[in-house]
Amino acid sequence: KAGVTQTPRYLIKTRGQQVTLSCSPISGHRSVSWYQQTPGQGLQFLFEYFSETQRNKGNFPGRFSGRQFSNSRSEMNVSTLELGDSALYLCASSRDFSSGANVLTFGAGSRLTVL
Amino acid sequence: DAKTTQPNSMESNEEEPVHLPCNHSTISGTDYIHWYRQLPSQGPEYVIHGLTSNVNNRMASLAIAEDRKSSTLILHRATLRDAAVYYCILRDGIPGNTGKLIFGQGTTLQVKP
Repeated sequence: KAGVTQTPRYLIKTRGQQVTLSCSPISGHRSVSWYQQTPGQGLQFLFEYFSETQRNKGNFPGRFSGRQFSNSRSEMNVSTLELGDSALYLCASSRDFSSGANVLTFGAGSRLTVL
Repeated sequence: DAKTTQPNSMESNEEEPVHLPCNHSTISGTDYIHWYRQLPSQGPEYVIHGLTSNVNNRMASLAIAEDRKSSTLILHRATLRDAAVYYCILRDGIPGNTGKLIFGQGTTLQVKP
């Protein structure tokens, strides 16, 4: 079966612009979560969605937002880009969000470079 | 959120077993122990998870201490493809709580031919 698909894979933006990243989860998975990975901070949780509702949000400024659609696809948006937003943005999907035994499947990520 | 402690790096020779340790002294009774790994230029990949008993799958084995304050991921025969960053993560098992993963720095495994 198809894995988690993230688009675009690479993109370059300039400071002040905004960006939208897309994630298509595995068929049948209703939970999508987003993570930011940087060399300095490692992997950090951004948000988590289930059935179009945001269930949890990480410690990021309001410039970072997301949403989930009825088909479970998700998008995240970063407005007023800063140099420090340069990172690999990873999306993960799972069948649900709240079971401790639940396994996440990650996409390959979207590499954002802010100049 | 309960924390885990792992060595920053480990080395292994190809085709030898590898034991990757993880300490989680503040684990709660409902926390699951998960292991993920991240190969270069890829997203993290699920390896194995367990609650109290030792677990085996096609990729690895997970040995959990009797008091659950530590665990060990065992790769039975390391290959060059196993060179990756390995993350030990505690996942809250209480229904309705968040499913987010809290990643530490992980252990970078180097496999020598």
